[in-house]
Amino acid sequence: KAGVTQTPRYLIKTRGQQVTLSCSPISGHRSVSWYQQTPGQGLQFLFEYFSETQRNKGNFPGRFSGRQFSNSRSEMNVSTLELGDSALYLCASSSGQAESTSPLHFGNGTRLTVT
Amino acid sequence: GNSVTQMEGPVTLSEEAFLTINCTYTATGYPSLFWYVQYPGEGLQLLLKATKADDKGSNKGFEATYRKETTSFHLEKGSVQVSDSAVYFCALIQGAQKLVFGQGTRLTINP
Repeated sequence: KAGVTQTPRYLIKTRGQQVTLSCSPISGHRSVSWYQQTPGQGLQFLFEYFSETQRNKGNFPGRFSGRQFSNSRSEMNVSTLELGDSALYLCASSSGQAESTSPLHFGNGTRLTVT
Repeated sequence: GNSVTQMEGPVTLSEEAFLTINCTYTATGYPSLFWYVQYPGEGLQLLLKATKADDKGSNKGFEATYRKETTSFHLEKGSVQVSDSAVYFCALIQGAQKLVFGQGTRLTINP
């Protein structure tokens, strides 16, 4: 079974630009979550989608948005990039059925560098 | 709100040494608890989990017991290997697939 696939692996953008990151979950998984990982703030939850609906959201500004398609694939968009948005963005998928017993499977992440 | 605190790293040990990485949490109710591991250049992998008090999660020689009375979930391994070198994250789940992570502990095992 293929794992969670994130594309691209690396991105370099300039301040003020926007970026879209993509995540393909494990086949059959309906929940996709996004996390930001930085050396200073660690791992922080961005949002979670289940069956095309945002079910939970972290404390990030509105410049961070996401969506999920009918095939469960998800995209994350960051507009008006700032230097502080440089991070590893991780996507995780799960069946989403029982939050305490449905483990999250993570992709290898997209490394975003903002210059 | 809910939070997770891990022991400060980095931790450096010799092969076959005993490992303990401390983790304590603050939460309302009784969340499920997890340990994730991140190898260089990779995402996170679930190492073990416990869903209720006194549960012991175990995998690949690692163990952790959910202690409600001390709000702790310490990770232990009796004999570490060089291949265990990685960053370890303690986490709790706070509704709808939202994980709250500790800051991570970098572990280096020397041969």
